[in-house]
Amino acid sequence: DAKTTQPPSMDCAEGRAANLPCNHSTISGNEYVYWYRQIHSQGPQYIIHGLKNNETNEMASLIITEDRKSSTLILPHATLRDTAVYYCIVKEAGNFNKFYFGSGTKLNVKP
Amino acid sequence: EAQVTQNPRYLITVTGKKLTVTCSQNMNHEYMSWYRQDPGLGLRQIYYSMNVEVTDKGDVPEGYKVSRKEKRNFPLILESPSPNQTSLYFCASSGPANYGYTFGSGTRLTVV
Repeated sequence: DAKTTQPPSMDCAEGRAANLPCNHSTISGNEYVYWYRQIHSQGPQYIIHGLKNNETNEMASLIITEDRKSSTLILPHATLRDTAVYYCIVKEAGNFNKFYFGSGTKLNVKP
Repeated sequence: EAQVTQNPRYLITVTGKKLTVTCSQNMNHEYMSWYRQDPGLGLRQIYYSMNVEVTDKGDVPEGYKVSRKEKRNFPLILESPSPNQTSLYFCASSGPANYGYTFGSGTRLTVV
């Protein structure tokens, strides 16, 4: 599985967009980009995933660069409840034997 | 409601006393997995299972056992718990679609 690199922490003002970057320069053609978040000590929560097209759901948008070497998770209007650790994971589709979580990015949403 | 259920949520036990943490999912998922989470070390995979009677080691399997006799259940067994197994444990499951794992709420285990 391709390795991912994320900044350890980021701040965002409440109500503003939070843009969380992830580098995955060794991603291969059949690997998807997944985003999860973990609020305090709760179980990680799936947010969104994509292969090469940009994706949007009710929680967030995922922007993947054309060369697929990096991506950005966008929370359009961050709230205090979005304060969490966000994990970017690259994984071959349908192969969940090993699903590695790196260190993630701690997003602090401030009033 | 689709969910992964772990029990117990909290457990304090003594060194050497066998224990089992149960995990059950109601989504007919093939894949199930156990993780432990420790400060500074993140989430580490203990064991995973690809289907009934098919299990394999993750990154930190020492001191743990699992079984997958039914598709919905994936218990984690600590035959002789030690203090270094004090941790927050998560069970997760996934189907063949691309959505990744659904996680349980966690079990906080303390071994004294």
